[in-house]
Amino acid sequence: GIQVEQSPPDLILQEGANSTLRCNFSDSVNNLQWFHQNPWGQLINLFYIPSGTKQNGRLSATTVATERYSLLYISSSQTTDSGVYFCAVSSTSGTYKYIFGTGTRLKVLA
Amino acid sequence: SAVISQKPSRDICQRGTSLTIQCQVDSQVTMMFWYRQQPGQSLTLIATANQGSEATYESGFVIDKFPISRPNLTFSTLTVSNMSPEDSSIYLCSVTYLDMVYEQYFGPGTRLTVT
Repeated sequence: GIQVEQSPPDLILQEGANSTLRCNFSDSVNNLQWFHQNPWGQLINLFYIPSGTKQNGRLSATTVATERYSLLYISSSQTTDSGVYFCAVSSTSGTYKYIFGTGTRLKVLA
Repeated sequence: SAVISQKPSRDICQRGTSLTIQCQVDSQVTMMFWYRQQPGQSLTLIATANQGSEATYESGFVIDKFPISRPNLTFSTLTVSNMSPEDSSIYLCSVTYLDMVYEQYFGPGTRLTVT
């Protein structure tokens, strides 16, 4: 099956810094989402982005489907950005079953 | 998006017992899924809950261990049977909506500890 690897696995930032999180996938995908899992375990939808670029406030994402990767940019990080970031991909048409990546654990220091 | 709730939010259970987790959505959805997240790990899909028929299980998960029901478009249950400490995880349901069939939205999760 499809493999989804994220890097870096862990990241520590000072508040106000910028960061880039990467998601590589081993096969072509039809759908891709980015999630933030907060310290209480809740998964929050960030982007649905099977291709192209989207921005939402301090966050933006880019997916280059032909090269099988996606990037999540966090600018001017805040302590509330701490948690785990997951990308998830779906490659089987019609089922919308998502395979989750390995995750990036982010800690933002005040 | 609609509200997705799960009950219980957390529980501590003894080995050998079973726990049923409920997932309720306040509007009709197309698909419902159940995931497991073991401590410090990513999410793994357990099964797709099919309305009115048997769930579709992923490799490594079986109906005897994780029976699932979905009697209507807004409700599903997952039972973790004959529990062992290895079943200690967060269990999450997710849904896709009629007007956003490609995006999954997650409930708050059920944190299970088996002693």
